[in-house]
Amino acid sequence: QVQLQQSGPGLVKPSQTLSLTCAISGDSVSSNRAAWNWIRQSPSRGLEWLGRTYYRSKWYNEYAESVKGRVTMKSDTSKNHFSLQLNSVTPEDTAIYYCARDPNLDYWGQGTLVTVSS
Amino acid sequence: SSELTQDPAVSVALGQTVRITCQGDSLRSYYANWYQQKPGQAPVLVTYGKNNRPSGIPDRFSGSSSGNTASLTITGAQAEDEADYYCNSRDSSDNYVIFGGGTKLTVL
Repeated sequence: QVQLQQSGPGLVKPSQTLSLTCAISGDSVSSNRAAWNWIRQSPSRGLEWLGRTYYRSKWYNEYAESVKGRVTMKSDTSKNHFSLQLNSVTPEDTAIYYCARDPNLDYWGQGTLVTVSS
Repeated sequence: SSELTQDPAVSVALGQTVRITCQGDSLRSYYANWYQQKPGQAPVLVTYGKNNRPSGIPDRFSGSSSGNTASLTITGAQAEDEADYYCNSRDSSDNYVIFGGGTKLTVL
């Protein structure tokens, strides 16, 4: 059974960096059959895909246009986890952040409410 | 196109059948996945691909597709099916994942 466990701060100051980690059990971050996604949810934007990272003989990242330039996703094979960094946050980035596995976003983390406020 | 459109709210009488739809140009090329979300919980995948259900999802949930419209059908809706339902797919360029705005299902 795949489980995704998220960790990271729930409060970030404007202009700073949001950092979250998703620890994987029951699968491997370097699996050739999976991809590892970050998605957020807010009342104003609904569910919004932020991007994904995956391994197919080498590492690939795909990012949504809405956050491209501010987002970085990385994988750590030694810890079997992947991470999200979102720079220069504003209150508009306040949301519940989820990690989820492809294909089909079949497993999700528990969600982390991140509030951007001074 | 990068949009998926869902009706904001749908209701169904207990035990009856309900269809929740999702429209978008990308659905002519890609199947939709459907997720159920209850308050305070993460979304749960209920159907994917042509008409597949993950292990543990009741067979009253089924998916279908025609043209630019994907549908989630619940045959014999139960009280526990009251939730928000979201469709998702790839966008037409296959570069991004997109979500519908969600449908709130009320079981009367």
